This record gives sequence, C-alpha cells and structure tokens, in this order.
Amino acid sequence: KQEVTQIPAALSVPEGENLVLNCSFTDSAIYNLQWFRQDPGKGLTSLLLIQSSQREQTSGRLNASLDKSSGRSTLYIAASQPGDSATYLCAAHTGTASKLTFGTGTRLQVTL
Amino acid sequence: EAQVTQNPRYLITVTGKKLTVTCSQNMNHEYMSWYRQDPGLGLRQIYYSMNVEVTDKGDVPEGYKVSRKEKRNFPLILESPSPNQTSLYFCASSPRGGRGNEQFFGPGTRLTVL
Repeated sequence: KQEVTQIPAALSVPEGENLVLNCSFTDSAIYNLQWFRQDPGKGLTSLLLIQSSQREQTSGRLNASLDKSSGRSTLYIAASQPGDSATYLCAAHTGTASKLTFGTGTRLQVTL
Repeated sequence: EAQVTQNPRYLITVTGKKLTVTCSQNMNHEYMSWYRQDPGLGLRQIYYSMNVEVTDKGDVPEGYKVSRKEKRNFPLILESPSPNQTSLYFCASSPRGGRGNEQFFGPGTRLTVL
C-alpha cells in the first residue's frame, strides 16, 4: 500500500528565501507524481506533474524533482513571496484505479 | 473555461437526510473521482469512474454511492448521512484513467452533518 509523507508539516520563511519542500513515498511503482497548492477554503491547484520517466519539471519559480529509486520528490521554490503562502500537497499516482495517494501537506507561510 | 464544478459548495444537514453533491466537468474527460479530505488524514479516494456506466470503489466507499450516466457528470450520493461524513469533498477528472494523466480538481464541498 502506497504511503506518502511530507516533511515538514509547517514552514515559515522570510520573503525572498529559496526553499525546499520534501515528499517521500513507499512504493516506487508510480505513474507520476503531482504537486498541488491549496489555499484556505479553496480547492486544489495543480502546480507540476512529473512523469515516472522524468527527473524534474519546472514552471516559473517552481522546480520539482523526482527520484523513484529513493522514493523522494522535492519542490523547490525560488525567491519566495507572501503570495506563495499556502498548503502544498504532493500526490503519487499509482494503480489501475488511477488513485492519487496524498501526503498531509506542508503549510508554508512567507513573511514580509 | 475548462473546469470541474461542484454544487453545493457548503452544506449543513442532519443525520439521515439524503443528499447529493453534484460534480460536472466540461473537458470531455473519461475519468472522474471523488475524494474526501480530513485533518491529519489527507485526501482519500471514495469512488472513481473510468468511463460512462463504469464505477468502482476507492479506499473509503462506505456510506456513499455514485453514478455515471453521462460523461460530464459524476454525482456523489449520501443515502443516510452520519456525523462521521462531515468532511471536505473534492471531485477530480482526467482525460482518461491510467498512467500519465494529470488530474484536475473542483473547488470542494464542505459538508457538515449534525
């Protein structure tokens, strides 16, 4: 059974810092790994999707990496801004049910 | 605009009163799914549908029903809601089930069962 863990559960950084969010998964037989952003009271916004055959994906200030052999993914946020404050979720896509197994998220606060 | 919509967004109800949460997507996606999100437990899959008239149980299907009569709609039915079904519910869709497809989520429905 796939299990996804995100560390840390919460993180506070000053504006302008570069930061890394961590995601680990137990079953390396994934189709892909997807990173989401969730704002309070809002839905999930897909940030990046890394296919199992890829090592990384980039979108603007965001860069996600994937190491299937070690069961790890990281989300790198460059030059953080207060608008980046949100909860970040990673989800491993496995199985014929196309199920996404989610971590419990990292709550990020970027302070002025 | 391509999107997944859910209605209602907020609902407070009482134990035992049947309710339906609707989900609709306008992207002609074959695959649709329902998740619930609870503090400390993350999001867990309730039911999914690979295509019209094809539905199957996820990890936490007890107390829920679904139907997929049309490609665009995938309603979640609670025949006799109970307080332990108080949660935040998300509908998701993707072009088709299987590897490689990005999933898109609706805005969520916050349900409280008293």
